[in-house]
Amino acid sequence: KQEVTQIPAALSVPEGENLVLNCSFTDSAIYNLQWFRQDPGKGLTSLLLIQSSQREQTSGRLNASLDKSSGRSTLYIAASQPGDSATYLCAVLGGSQGNLIFGKGTKLSVKP
Amino acid sequence: ETGVTQTPRHLVMGMTNKKSLKCEQHLGHNAMYWYKQSAKKPLELMFVYSLEERVENNSVPSRFSPECPNSSHLFLHLHTLQPEDSALYLCASSRAVTVLPGAGELFFGEGSRLTVL
Repeated sequence: KQEVTQIPAALSVPEGENLVLNCSFTDSAIYNLQWFRQDPGKGLTSLLLIQSSQREQTSGRLNASLDKSSGRSTLYIAASQPGDSATYLCAVLGGSQGNLIFGKGTKLSVKP
Repeated sequence: ETGVTQTPRHLVMGMTNKKSLKCEQHLGHNAMYWYKQSAKKPLELMFVYSLEERVENNSVPSRFSPECPNSSHLFLHLHTLQPEDSALYLCASSRAVTVLPGAGELFFGEGSRLTVL
């Protein structure tokens, strides 16, 4: 059974720092991996989707990497801003499953 | 219009009430999902509809009843709920992938915050 873990559960950084959020999964036979952002009391916003054949995806200040063999993905946020404060969720789609398995998220706070 | 719209945003109901949550997507997708988000737990998939057929029912109690009349609309009918059913209910949509319904990039609504008294 696929399990997704995100560490740390919470992270606080000063504005301007570069930071890395981690996601690990137990079954490396995945179809794709998605990173989402969730603001308090709101729905999820898709940030990046990485197919199993890809190593990374970039969007603006965000870069997500995927290492299937080690069961890990990282989300790199460059030059963090207070507006980046949110919970970041990682989700994987297994090769034999029809649905995403989510981690519990990392709550990021960027202080001005 | 936003891509995925959910109503109502907030709902308070007693255990004997019957209510419905509504979801509408304007993205031309043909797969729709209901997820439950409880405090300190990962998102849990409840139902998946692909091409208007239900393809996933993740052992959800029968007090939750989904309905998908067309590819743009999804409902979650609620009756005789329990206080532990209080949660944020999220609707999502994607392009359907025949082999793996959940393989497309997901777009979520803002959620319906449900409180059961």
